[in-house]
Amino acid sequence: GQQVMQIPQYQHVQEGEDFTTYCNSSTTLSNIQWYKQRPGGHPVFLIQLVKSGEVKKQKRLTFQFGEAKKNSSLHITATQTTDVGTYFCAGTNQAGTALIFGKGTTLSVSS
Amino acid sequence: NAGVTQTPKFQVLKTGQSMTLQCAQDMNHNSMYWYRQDPGMGLRLIYYSASEGTTDKGEVPNGYNVSRLNKREFSLRLESAAPSQTSVYFCASIIRGPEGSTEAFFGQGTRLTVV
Repeated sequence: GQQVMQIPQYQHVQEGEDFTTYCNSSTTLSNIQWYKQRPGGHPVFLIQLVKSGEVKKQKRLTFQFGEAKKNSSLHITATQTTDVGTYFCAGTNQAGTALIFGKGTTLSVSS
Repeated sequence: NAGVTQTPKFQVLKTGQSMTLQCAQDMNHNSMYWYRQDPGMGLRLIYYSASEGTTDKGEVPNGYNVSRLNKREFSLRLESAAPSQTSVYFCASIIRGPEGSTEAFFGQGTRLTVV
């Protein structure tokens, strides 16, 4: 079945440093989404990428979808303590029904 | 708008007991999902319902059953709880738009402990 792998599992940075998490799928995805979960909370939708090679930005966050639509990345520039949480990528299976999540990258930021 | 509502928020069960986790959405979405979240394991799909009247197994369906009662409600049942089912359970309602666009809305979660 479809698998979505995410690295690293954990990342600690000093405030102001950059952060990147990577997502790889075993199959070609129709789209990929990114979610953020704060400690004790529930996942919240950040963004979706649909087109091959697509790049989207949200303030300090940059999202990229690979040319083959099998990988994606989330880059945060100049992290802040408010960026703390777990970032998940999620891909829709080829049938367009099941939404499969990666294991997430937990980001901690020290000031 | 309440979005996605899950009940209960917390539950402690003894091994062998049964219970049903309730989920309701008021966004008129066709698709609803149940995930479990365990430390280091991310969100694993238990069952999903792509539309009213249909349900399908996800990655980890063993020990669970589901019912899509109507378009709004999707329940998850544990018939005989086991300690391995201790987890945080999330229900999600998913909107699918043009060009395959997808966005999931999550409930607040149910923290279940089986002793």
